[in-house]
Amino acid sequence: AQRVTQPEKLLSVFKGAPVELKCNYSYSGSPELFWYVQYSRQRLQLLLRHISRESIKGFTADLNKGETSFHLKKPFAQEEDSAMYYCALRTSYGKLTFGQGTILTVHP
Amino acid sequence: DADVTQTPRNRITKTGKRIMLECSQTKGHDRMYWYRQDPGLGLRLIYYSFDVKDINKGEISDGYSVSRQAQAKFSLSLESAIPNQTALYFCATSDLRSKAGTTDTQYFGPGTRLTVL
Repeated sequence: AQRVTQPEKLLSVFKGAPVELKCNYSYSGSPELFWYVQYSRQRLQLLLRHISRESIKGFTADLNKGETSFHLKKPFAQEEDSAMYYCALRTSYGKLTFGQGTILTVHP
Repeated sequence: DADVTQTPRNRITKTGKRIMLECSQTKGHDRMYWYRQDPGLGLRLIYYSFDVKDINKGEISDGYSVSRQAQAKFSLSLESAIPNQTALYFCATSDLRSKAGTTDTQYFGPGTRLTVL
């Protein structure tokens, strides 16, 4: 069965510090992974997907199949990065399995 | 994204009452989903529909039912609400006809906060 684990419920960093939000997954098939973000008073929205190998708002995430991880990283956190972040695994027929979420707080 | 709307946005009800949450979309997407969000548990899929005639249970469908009245509308019902169904409920849509080489992004509504007393 598929599973997504985000071990940190809360993560606090100071502005300008590097940040890494951890995500591990369990899936027997070929994984497709995403990061979704929910800013305060906004809708949950796609941040990035591993298949695109893109950098969005300075964030990157690399799929590591050996470690079954898809950690989200940013070298210099900004206050506007404060939000709830969800890692998600796309399984059969387009369904998404979400992790528990990590609340990131970036302090000034 | 104003293309996915949910009504009501907030609802307080009592145990045993029947409740319907509605979702409408103007994105023209085939696929629609209902999730609930609980602190520490993330988003969990309740039901999903890949077209009007295709409805499937998600991981936590017990106590819920759905209706896909049209491509644009997907309603979630709680036949007899209970307090542990207190949660934030999200509707989402995605497009079956994704571009080749991409996977279908899900677009979320603003959420409905349901409290069952």
